[in-house]
Amino acid sequence: TQLLEQSPQFLSIQEGENLTVYCNSSSVFSSLQWYRQEPGEGPVLLVTVVTGGEVKKLKRLTFQFGDARKDSSLHITAAQPGDTGLYLCAGPTQGGSEKLVFGKGMKLTVNP
Amino acid sequence: DTEVTQTPKHLVMGMTNKKSLKCEQHMGHRAMYWYKQKAKKPPELMFVYSYEKLSINESVPSRFSPECPNSSLLNLHLHALQPEDSALYLCASSLISGGAGQPQHFGDGTRLSIL
Repeated sequence: TQLLEQSPQFLSIQEGENLTVYCNSSSVFSSLQWYRQEPGEGPVLLVTVVTGGEVKKLKRLTFQFGDARKDSSLHITAAQPGDTGLYLCAGPTQGGSEKLVFGKGMKLTVNP
Repeated sequence: DTEVTQTPKHLVMGMTNKKSLKCEQHMGHRAMYWYKQKAKKPPELMFVYSYEKLSINESVPSRFSPECPNSSLLNLHLHALQPEDSALYLCASSLISGGAGQPQHFGDGTRLSIL
């Protein structure tokens, strides 16, 4: 069974601080996706990483896919209250179905 | 605003009621999904439709009955629900990828409360 472990699961920080969220597995994934879900809304795709070692940047967010494609990280620089939300990593399951496996998520609160 | 529209946004129903949740997308996606999400937890997959055919049922109780009338619409029919079924129900859609893991586009969900 493919599992994605996210850490930390909860984080409360002050505005302006930096943070890193990790998404780890013992399985190889062909790609990984990161979503952010704000209260009262559905998850919104932030990025998809496909190539081992790939780094993608989205404003103050930096995503990295591990060389072995078993892990990924999300680094946020100078966090803002608008970054508050549930951050989820997800990847396709083996076997050719359309199913994604999700990590348990990281609940981020950025205090002004 | 999302490209996947879910109605209603909120629903309160008794355990003996019958109701339906609706989901619509016009992105030409041929895979559609129903998820159940409890507070501060990740979405749990319930059903997947591929080309309007049910392809995955994650052992969901029969009191939840999905329907895909056409490529743009997905319904979830509810009957005789239990209080533990109270949750946020999310619909999503994606391109068909044959397992390559296309990103999913989510609606904002229906907040369901069972009395």
